[in-house]
Amino acid sequence: GAGVSQSPSNKVTEKGKDVELRCDPISGHTALYWYRQRLGQGLEFLIYFQGNSAPDKSGLPSDRFSAERTGESVSTLTIQRTQQEDSAVYLCASSYRDRAAYEQYFGPGTRLTVT
Amino acid sequence: DAKTTQPNSMESNEEEPVHLPCNHSTISGTDYIHWYRQLPSQGPEYVIHGLTSNVNNRMASLAIAEDRKSSTLILHRATLRDAAVYYCILRDFDSNYQLIWGAGTKLIIKP
Repeated sequence: GAGVSQSPSNKVTEKGKDVELRCDPISGHTALYWYRQRLGQGLEFLIYFQGNSAPDKSGLPSDRFSAERTGESVSTLTIQRTQQEDSAVYLCASSYRDRAAYEQYFGPGTRLTVT
Repeated sequence: DAKTTQPNSMESNEEEPVHLPCNHSTISGTDYIHWYRQLPSQGPEYVIHGLTSNVNNRMASLAIAEDRKSSTLILHRATLRDAAVYYCILRDFDSNYQLIWGAGTKLIIKP
């Protein structure tokens, strides 16, 4: 079946502009996660959604970052007033349930470059 | 989530088995052991996970020590496509969100 998809695959933006990144999870997956990966580094957790529960935003680095998810479908990650340090690959993952026994499936990521 | 320790890098010859070790001496009884890998310029990919018993799937095998303080990911016949960074991650049974990623092991496959 279809995997996790993300768009755009690449985004180049000027410092100070807003960007919106999209994630389409696997159908039927109730949990959705956003991570950030800077060049040569590991993944950093940003935010997590589980069904209709309030999202866990504990990983968001600043109030310029926000995310929304409609039910158990698509999610958007918005970065306002982008800074050069926001340049990274933004990865989305979904999981059937949010429990430790379930694996996460990742999308290909959106490479964001802030100039 | 408990901490894991992995070698920074390993080398193996193509078509030979590869054993990737992971130490997790502070593992709790409810921690699942997950393995993911990340190929160059791609998103992470799930490999395998287990709790107590050894596990096999189409990609790999997971051997878990009897005391669960270590585990080994086994690739039975490495190919060039298996060159990636392999991450060993512990997730508590009651943990309901993010995977906490370490540095992983960079696996180099020599043709």
